[in-house]
Amino acid sequence: NAGVTQTPKFQVLKTGQSMTLQCAQDMNHEYMSWYRQDPGMGLRLIHYSVGAGITDQGEVPNGYNVSRSTTEDFPLRLLSAAPSQTSVYFCASSYSRTSGAPAYEQFFGPGTRLTVL
Amino acid sequence: AQKVTQAQTEISVVEKEDVTLDCVYETRDTTYYLFWYKQPPSGELVFLIRRNSFDEQNEISGRYSWNFQKSTSSFNFTITASQVVDSAVYFCALSTYGGATNKLIFGTGTLLAVQP
Repeated sequence: NAGVTQTPKFQVLKTGQSMTLQCAQDMNHEYMSWYRQDPGMGLRLIHYSVGAGITDQGEVPNGYNVSRSTTEDFPLRLLSAAPSQTSVYFCASSYSRTSGAPAYEQFFGPGTRLTVL
Repeated sequence: AQKVTQAQTEISVVEKEDVTLDCVYETRDTTYYLFWYKQPPSGELVFLIRRNSFDEQNEISGRYSWNFQKSTSSFNFTITASQVVDSAVYFCALSTYGGATNKLIFGTGTLLAVQP
């Protein structure tokens, strides 16, 4: 199993550009989420999904869009990049409670380091 | 409101010293999970432990041990005989047991530097 994969690893954007961060998992996890990590602030939840076709906002959703058309993929779209979106982005997946398993451990991807100039 | 506080921003120890990383959480839920994750300099997040709110037994795994005390809302992490490879940022996180979501509330992390 590849686990959770993210592409690209690094990205530099100019203010106003748009882009999509890719996330895929091969563990058949229902639950997927996106976090951003900023110095001194830990990881903050951007968006999450409990299954294909279902997404919801986390703590810091502004400026980001997500969709979940398949169980495996959960892309994060930046509509118009701003310098405040310079961060490291992590995608994570896990089983959800509805699967009956109390396995709330989340598996994280390797991260995408994004710089917005 | 749910919150995780890791008051220690940075800790520096010399190899073989014992070190305790503090984690204090806030939640009104009676059922919840607590986690510790390690983030080494390479950047990935590594799961260390999960504890549910009904299990207050302390846990030991090799040089690692965890002390869960509901009375003080703390879930502290101790590394015994620290090694240079323990140098990392350690995050404590909280997740409530409700619905199908698995949202994690992270603390701000503690940077542990183990000097040779």
